[in-house]
Amino acid sequence: EVQLVESGGGLVQPGRSLKLSCIGSGFTFGDYAMTWVRQAPGKGLEWVGFIRSKNYGGAAEYAASVKGRFTISRDDSQTIAYLQMDSLQSEDTAVYYCTRGGDRNSWDPYFFDYWGQGTLVTVSS
Amino acid sequence: EIVLTQSPGTLSLSPGERATLSCRASQSVSITYLAWYQQKPGQAPRLLIYGASTRATGIPDRFSGRGSGTDFTLTISRLEPEDVAVYYCQQYGSSVSTFGQGTRVEIK
Repeated sequence: EVQLVESGGGLVQPGRSLKLSCIGSGFTFGDYAMTWVRQAPGKGLEWVGFIRSKNYGGAAEYAASVKGRFTISRDDSQTIAYLQMDSLQSEDTAVYYCTRGGDRNSWDPYFFDYWGQGTLVTVSS
Repeated sequence: EIVLTQSPGTLSLSPGERATLSCRASQSVSITYLAWYQQKPGQAPRLLIYGASTRATGIPDRFSGRGSGTDFTLTISRLEPEDVAVYYCQQYGSSVSTFGQGTRVEIK
């Protein structure tokens, strides 16, 4: 059974940093791109960014709203994807979901077939 | 960046009725790169449709998707109480994904 479990959320002050983790199990983690999606309270879904599998170079891409502040990385030996969030702002307050790219044979994840339950990040003084 | 606009904002129908949800893109989207998700209250989103019309594993056949270019549709042929949720369309293009703002489906 495919499972994604996020952790690391919490309350953080504006301008500070936080690192989220997503542990994957039940599939060959290294073969899949991993994507982060967030949802502000009462709002819709917002794509944050993804990291390709090493098979496709392992590079990451980001939404304009987080580029330069957020960094996605992965440790395939531990089956973990990370989201390092720096210079956090109140607008970053959201539930952060980790998702798996649905097509392991694709360069980029163009749909998301499994989602974690999310971890809440609150940015407030 | 491609903007997806979903309509209506809220759909209120009786059980057994047909629900038609629209997703319009600001630029043409490849049918390969259009997906639909269902999010029930308090839950993570769930993949319903990918490639504009392919149902994901375990999705009932009352859910169907169609469309091309800039206009895509999700149809629930016979609405059931457990279909109460917010539905999102999502597209991918040039290493960027975007979601529509969602359509809320309610039962009368």
